[in-house]
Amino acid sequence: GENVEQHPSTLSVQEGDSAVIKCTYSDSASNYFPWYKQELGKGPQLIIDIRSNVGEKKDQRIAVTLNKTAKHFSLHITETQPEDSAVYFCTAGGTSYGKLTFGQGTILTVHP
Amino acid sequence: NAGVMQNPRHLVRRRGQEARLRCSPMKGHSHVYWYRQLPEEGLKFMVYLQKENIIDESGMPKERFSAEFPKEGPSILRIQQVVRGDSAAYFCASSPADTSREQYFGPGTRLTVT
Repeated sequence: GENVEQHPSTLSVQEGDSAVIKCTYSDSASNYFPWYKQELGKGPQLIIDIRSNVGEKKDQRIAVTLNKTAKHFSLHITETQPEDSAVYFCTAGGTSYGKLTFGQGTILTVHP
Repeated sequence: NAGVMQNPRHLVRRRGQEARLRCSPMKGHSHVYWYRQLPEEGLKFMVYLQKENIIDESGMPKERFSAEFPKEGPSILRIQQVVRGDSAAYFCASSPADTSREQYFGPGTRLTVT
């Protein structure tokens, strides 16, 4: 089955700096890669996704890149703010519908 | 437009009791997924259902766990004869019946087995 590895496990930045989270996946059939933000005591919130026919996607301060050859994908957050502090999960999906495989999560802390 | 609803938010059961977790998908969504999250870990897929059908239960433990999504009413995840290792947060997600594949999660049910 699919295996998703996520790094780093914790990330601490100053407000205004950029944050980068990297993931790798194992199953070449995976073709859908959403990212989720989870705040304490809440469910994961979909923040951005990318599909295998696209190499990069941007939404305001958030961007994702995908390298299908290397099976790498990354999340970039620019101009970080304290409210960006949360746990971020990368995920991979491989069929038209169906399960997502989650990475282990990155605890992002943005210091004012 | 209400999001995915789950109840109860917190559930305490003694070993050997049954736990029933409910999930109402977003309006217009016909696909439901259940995931389990152990403390300080990522979410693990359990089961994927459409109305009256189990599509993929590859992540469900073979014993004590069952799920349904009836024609009317919420999806139910049932855990019989709970053990302490079942203590976790259980999340439900739903997605629309189109090709977007976007899954939207509920707030979760935190199960504690004493």
